[in-house]
Amino acid sequence: GAVVSQHPSRVICKSGTSVKIECRSLDFQATTMFWYRQFPKQSLMLMATSNEGSKATYEQGVEKDKFLINHASLTLSTLTVTSAHPEDSSFYICSARRGQEISGNTIYFGEGSWLTVV
Amino acid sequence: LAKTTQPISMDSYEGQEVNITCSHNNIATNDYITWYQQFPSQGPRFIIQGYKTKVTNEVASLFIPADRKSSTLSLPRVSLSDTAVYYCLVGDYSGGYQKVTFGTGTKLQVIP
Repeated sequence: GAVVSQHPSRVICKSGTSVKIECRSLDFQATTMFWYRQFPKQSLMLMATSNEGSKATYEQGVEKDKFLINHASLTLSTLTVTSAHPEDSSFYICSARRGQEISGNTIYFGEGSWLTVV
Repeated sequence: LAKTTQPISMDSYEGQEVNITCSHNNIATNDYITWYQQFPSQGPRFIIQGYKTKVTNEVASLFIPADRKSSTLSLPRVSLSDTAVYYCLVGDYSGGYQKVTFGTGTKLQVIP
């Protein structure tokens, strides 16, 4: 199956600093990528949908100035948590959808990134 | 987007077949049904996808009735390593801008 890679898998940062998480589709072009956060023992919560070359669409309640998303190429999307605070500590997961030229309509997920803000 | 309903949790003994059913009463004509498996601290892993009738791959089968308002993921002869959360997703991703939202999932506990 398709491979989506996230980096870093774990990161610890100080409160008030910013941290960037990368999401790459390794063997296919991803016209659309999605970012989620997941708290322990809870389901994934969609934060935003990212389309290559355009601004991300954020879900209600997600601060776009705090969670900056960039999808500059068909294989890379980044999530930057700005001015991080302890309550931003969570498991962040990205997913990518294959381009329309490939059938199957399947979304593939990255391994996830643990963010701890101290 | 079609809302999905799954049992919160299920228990099964090793070696048994497990069937997890998902309800999606307002599924749309273009929607596909996709199941994912998630282990703790990992991203969801694609298991199987279908549109209608039955789909089978090396790890699971997916049964979809004619009205497509539900689907059943079947895991043959589960082992302890199948303990995970299983999510059913329904949607049409071909438009390029469809959101992918998750329901609560089903936590499967396999017992020795």
